[in-house]
Amino acid sequence: GAVVSQHPSWVICKSGTSVKIECRSLDFQATTMFWYRQFPKQSLMLMATSNEGSKATYEQGVEKDKFLINHASLTLSTLTVTSAHPEDSSFYICSAREVGGSYEQYFGPGTRLTVT
Amino acid sequence: AQTVTQSQPEMSVQEAETVTLSCTYDTSESDYYLFWYKQPPSRQMILVIRQEAYKQQNATENRFSVNFQKAAKSFSLKISDSQLGDAAMYFCAFLFDRGSTLGRLYFGRGTQLTVWP
Repeated sequence: GAVVSQHPSWVICKSGTSVKIECRSLDFQATTMFWYRQFPKQSLMLMATSNEGSKATYEQGVEKDKFLINHASLTLSTLTVTSAHPEDSSFYICSAREVGGSYEQYFGPGTRLTVT
Repeated sequence: AQTVTQSQPEMSVQEAETVTLSCTYDTSESDYYLFWYKQPPSRQMILVIRQEAYKQQNATENRFSVNFQKAAKSFSLKISDSQLGDAAMYFCAFLFDRGSTLGRLYFGRGTQLTVWP
């Protein structure tokens, strides 16, 4: 149980285009989902926290107009990178916390974004 | 603010030997949770072990155990009988599950563990 999926697992896009990454909780309902960014050999950096039906809370320094987060249902959150540039190339990971569950978070497998 | 420090960027161990990864943290809270996560080359985050701060007993999961020293704010991970599959990046993480930080994990910089055959 407690599986989180991400789609796509790897995406290549051209500079200036937008790309959407989906995060789904497959066998539970997620009250809160978290989006992280990770550069090679570095730690996870929290970008934003999203709660179903409300606006995401962004960490300081994260451009909310560039990284659009939508948590439309209890099983789906999306991250849209708008007008992507090569410096947005990174590994994006989501995690989810179960409604009424414990403090534990469940991580998705991540999405590798390459902007050319 | 909560901070997590992993002072060992890299560690190595011989197969079947024991290795200890260090982690310290800083917080003014008394009730919190600590975790060790493993990230293999696939980059999937895997929970290795968790510790509730209110529990004095150190957590153990098979070959993995922790040494939790609350007063010293130290949370080290011991891997016994190391296996080649243990090779990965290990992250120490802290959670204070209340208020504005609800659910927010604070991660250390990670320790890259190499296991030699």
